[in-house]
Amino acid sequence: GQQVQQSPASLVLQEGENAELQCNFSSTATQLQWFYQSPGGSLVSLLSNPSGTKHTGRLTSTTVTKERRSSLHISSSQTTDSGTYLCARTGNYKYVFGAGTRLKVIA
Amino acid sequence: DPKIIQKPKYLVAVTGSEKILICEQYLGHNAMYWYRQSAKKPLEFMFSYSYQKLMDNQTASSRFQPQSSKKNHLDLQITALKPDDSATYFCASSQEEGGREDTQYFGPGTRLLVL
Repeated sequence: GQQVQQSPASLVLQEGENAELQCNFSSTATQLQWFYQSPGGSLVSLLSNPSGTKHTGRLTSTTVTKERRSSLHISSSQTTDSGTYLCARTGNYKYVFGAGTRLKVIA
Repeated sequence: DPKIIQKPKYLVAVTGSEKILICEQYLGHNAMYWYRQSAKKPLEFMFSYSYQKLMDNQTASSRFQPQSSKKNHLDLQITALKPDDSATYFCASSQEEGGREDTQYFGPGTRLLVL
């Protein structure tokens, strides 16, 4: 079965609204990372967060390892945040990716 | 300057042909990886190399062969191309010291279209 599940599959926000993205994984991860994939396809690492809470800019990630879940909170969304957000967990030195959450922020 | 270079950016090939996708990293990393992203599936792991040795291979087909001529190079040779091979291929690297699983950094990808 799918090892990393992300929800929602897609999300539309008005600019300025907050977003909450979820990631659930089927086994304990050594590393948990959130990526942004632009509409053009390039991948940008946002946060590495195997456990606890981490912040960077308008992003906050909270990972609860024993519950095998992580969330990514985007505050005060901007149109430039539009794209796909991917969650990936490591296991045996390879990343397993979720299918992503497609975010669209409209002005 | 880009730290992980993938060439070419776009590639169109005919069914049955052979192509090589190039990846070079200038991060001083010891481990390199290939991933594939097709329209119908999430990003999926293909290979990992550490100190130029194959560590893991998750591709079902021998048509995909990684080639590492230097520690910072990991090319991907694909033979007998099929339309289903059409995808974006991402190269990644990580420090990978002492068995600790490090953050992986991804290249910009090569978009392959097989006609």
